[in-house]
Amino acid sequence: AQSVAQPEDQVNVAEGNPLTVKCTYSVSGNPYLFWYVQYPNRGLQFLLKYITGDNLVKGSYGFEAEFNKSQTSFHLKKPSALVSDSALYFCAVRLSNTDKLIFGTGTRLQVFP
Amino acid sequence: GAVVSQHPSWVICKSGTSVKIECRSLDFQATTMFWYRQFPKQSLMLMATSNEGSKATYEQGVEKDKFLINHASLTLSTLTVTSAHPEDSSFYICSARKFFRDRDYEQYFGPGTRLTVT
Repeated sequence: AQSVAQPEDQVNVAEGNPLTVKCTYSVSGNPYLFWYVQYPNRGLQFLLKYITGDNLVKGSYGFEAEFNKSQTSFHLKKPSALVSDSALYFCAVRLSNTDKLIFGTGTRLQVFP
Repeated sequence: GAVVSQHPSWVICKSGTSVKIECRSLDFQATTMFWYRQFPKQSLMLMATSNEGSKATYEQGVEKDKFLINHASLTLSTLTVTSAHPEDSSFYICSARKFFRDRDYEQYFGPGTRLTVT
């Protein structure tokens, strides 16, 4: 079965420190991978995606993610966290030959001043 | 741009009544829209895929007679929760698919609608 896993329910990091939000996937074929952010009572905002090409993908608000095929991972990173980055982050994979997105369970990022 | 709106942003209704939620793509045409449901502190669950001019495709376990979807135009899809019950209370999010010139496409999400059934 195709799935996405976010092993951490919450990640805490001090402002200015680097942050990593983990995501692993299990899909058949080549994966289309996405990261979205959700602020309270809001819809999802697109951060970045990997389809093909360079394994390091740069996205919005200074975020980046690294696609690692051997480890089937797509971890979200940022060199220096901001308090305003505190939100719920979702990793997602698009199923092959469909439009459907499968979402991970989400990771709440808390950045402390 | 690629802006998707939802209306209303929140709604409270009495048990047994029906509620309609609108999803609009404001600056692009969307032949396909998606409806998701999100329970508190949980992930998004795809309910159905809405295709302009044809019947929606529902995910397994989603009652199509309860969650009526209509995609009457290239910019509007509606979700009607019929005979709502308290267990239908949830955050409903829609998304719209936008194509780009390179035949790639993305889903753009609306801000969500909070439904509370009393």
